[in-house]
Amino acid sequence: DVKVTQSSRYLVKRTGEKVFLECVQDMDHENMFWYRQDPGLGLRLIYFSYDVKMKEKGDIPEGYSVSREKKERFSLILESASTNQTSMYLCASSLRDSQYFNNEQFFGPGTRLTVL
Amino acid sequence: QKEVEQDPGPLSVPEGAIVSLNCTYSNSAFQYFMWYRQYSRKGPELLMYTYSSGNKEDGRFTAQVDKSSKYISLFIRDSQPSDSATYLCAMSRVDSNYQLIWGAGTKLIIKP
Repeated sequence: DVKVTQSSRYLVKRTGEKVFLECVQDMDHENMFWYRQDPGLGLRLIYFSYDVKMKEKGDIPEGYSVSREKKERFSLILESASTNQTSMYLCASSLRDSQYFNNEQFFGPGTRLTVL
Repeated sequence: QKEVEQDPGPLSVPEGAIVSLNCTYSNSAFQYFMWYRQYSRKGPELLMYTYSSGNKEDGRFTAQVDKSSKYISLFIRDSQPSDSATYLCAMSRVDSNYQLIWGAGTKLIIKP
């Protein structure tokens, strides 16, 4: 059974704090993603990684950084949390190359982050 | 203007009704069209996908793509309370193996 796990379901932080969100997948997927999900806006891509130590900016990278030191683990870092980063954060993974349909992304349960 | 438009709802229908969920898009390069289902407090899960135009059926669910109108639909027959969830459409180009463009999601409520 494929699985993507995220370190916390709920997190409350204060403005200015450094926040770490961790994601682990057990499917040996090359691609990993961080999204944020806000009502009416759908999923917006923050960062994407297609290999260890490789990363690409998504649509809204400002205020975020990422780290991928191992294939199975992808971390999202909020260097100095702000109230407008209050959101649901979703991690996902997918295969990079496949002879067949390769766009399926497998998601974790999400982390609801509140910044006060 | 967003590349993919989807009415966020909520859409509330009685049990047993036929449900129609829709997305429109502007990029004619999209070739893969997906529907994800997201239950409350869970991550999205792939429900169905289609490649290019046409229909695809899976049990009570039918996905339809009309590329000439840039319009995709998901139909749910004999809707059940367990179908209550947010349904997100997503699309991608054939040359992109990772980038999905997402709709906002439609919240569906099936009333017993």
